[in-house]
Amino acid sequence: ELKVEQNPLFLSMQEGKNYTIYCNYSTTSDRLYWYRQDPGKSLESLFVLLSNGAVKQEGRLMASLDTKARLSTLHITAAVHDLSATYFCAVAPTQGGSEKLVFGKGTKLTVNP
Amino acid sequence: GAVVSQHPSWVICKSGTSVKIECRSLDFQATTMFWYRQFPKQSLMLMATSNEGSKATYEQGVEKDKFLINHASLTLSTLTVTSAHPEDSSFYICSARREMVYEQYFGPGTRLTVT
Repeated sequence: ELKVEQNPLFLSMQEGKNYTIYCNYSTTSDRLYWYRQDPGKSLESLFVLLSNGAVKQEGRLMASLDTKARLSTLHITAAVHDLSATYFCAVAPTQGGSEKLVFGKGTKLTVNP
Repeated sequence: GAVVSQHPSWVICKSGTSVKIECRSLDFQATTMFWYRQFPKQSLMLMATSNEGSKATYEQGVEKDKFLINHASLTLSTLTVTSAHPEDSSFYICSARREMVYEQYFGPGTRLTVT
């Protein structure tokens, strides 16, 4: 059974600081997704990582994937208040060609002025 | 492109009644649709996967007779919560996937409150 672990689960940081959210998963996968969720809202797609070594950047967020280590990171650069949200990683297991996504528990990010 | 809608966005119903939630892909044909449930301050849990014209595949622990899923066309899937109880109160989110595209496109969610 695929398990996805995110850490930290809660992150409070000051504006202007950098930090990294980690996403580990337990079985083979070559597709990893990062989503943002604001309170009371659905998911907003941030990144789709499809291969080992993939790196994608959008604004102050950068995501990377290491399939050998079964690890993805979401790096936040010079955080601003607008980045406050809950961030989820989700993994699609390779086995069986499953289209299902298994989500991590989420990281609630609060960026303080 | 790739917009998914849900209706209603929120619903309050009395215990024992049934509620139907619609999920539509507005500008693409969805070969597969997924239904998730999210309790407050928790992650998304996949309930079932549905493909157009075939029976839904439910995740372990999800009652098929309670959560009826119908994927009637390539743009519409419905989730009916039958004989709802307060513990069914949750945020229900659907997503849709089109053929040959890895990404799932998420709907805005439906908040169900059972009183």
